[in-house]
Amino acid sequence: EAGVAQSPRYKIIEKRQSVAFWCNPISGHATLYWYQQILGQGPKLLIQFQNNGVVDDSQLPKDRFSAERLKGVDSTLKIQPAKLEDSAVYLCASSLGRTLNEQFFGPGTRLTVL
Amino acid sequence: GENVEQHPSTLSVQEGDSAVIKCTYSDSASNYFPWYKQELGKRPQLIIDIRSNVGEKKDQRIAVTLNKTAKHFSLHITETQPEDSAVYFCAASIDYKLSFGAGTTVTVRA
Repeated sequence: EAGVAQSPRYKIIEKRQSVAFWCNPISGHATLYWYQQILGQGPKLLIQFQNNGVVDDSQLPKDRFSAERLKGVDSTLKIQPAKLEDSAVYLCASSLGRTLNEQFFGPGTRLTVL
Repeated sequence: GENVEQHPSTLSVQEGDSAVIKCTYSDSASNYFPWYKQELGKRPQLIIDIRSNVGEKKDQRIAVTLNKTAKHFSLHITETQPEDSAVYFCAASIDYKLSFGAGTTVTVRA
């Protein structure tokens, strides 16, 4: 089966600019996650969707980050405006449902903010 | 929220020896504990997981043990091979939300 797809793979921007990331989960996966992985750390959950509804966004910096999952399939994560500390890999993952199922990760987008 | 601590941060082993990584968690309500392997520049991939109603699980050279009373779980890799070199992350799930440890960089010396 096709895996989780993400684009772009790499992005370099200057601080205060805006950036958007796209994720296409595995077909049929109802739950979608966005993680931020700073170099040398484990992934940190930013937001979790169940179909097109938000289940958990408690760790999403809502003053600058936003995410949507229209039609319960693809999702976009936006940062506006970006800060230096946003430099990280942004990982998208999906799972069958909101249960104790394996999360499948995409290849990630490496963001560098200069 | 859940807090997961992972030790050691780096681990170097001779090929053929065993490697052990330990994690502790803070919330006794956590009920699912996966381990992910992440090779350099690649996505994390699940290698083994355990649920709170099980004390131990084994899959070929990999095993995981869970001590709910002490709130810690461990990954054991036996007969290590060069392809085991990677970063390993433990995680704990509460309310279907994963909290990850900081990772252990495992290097297998030939």
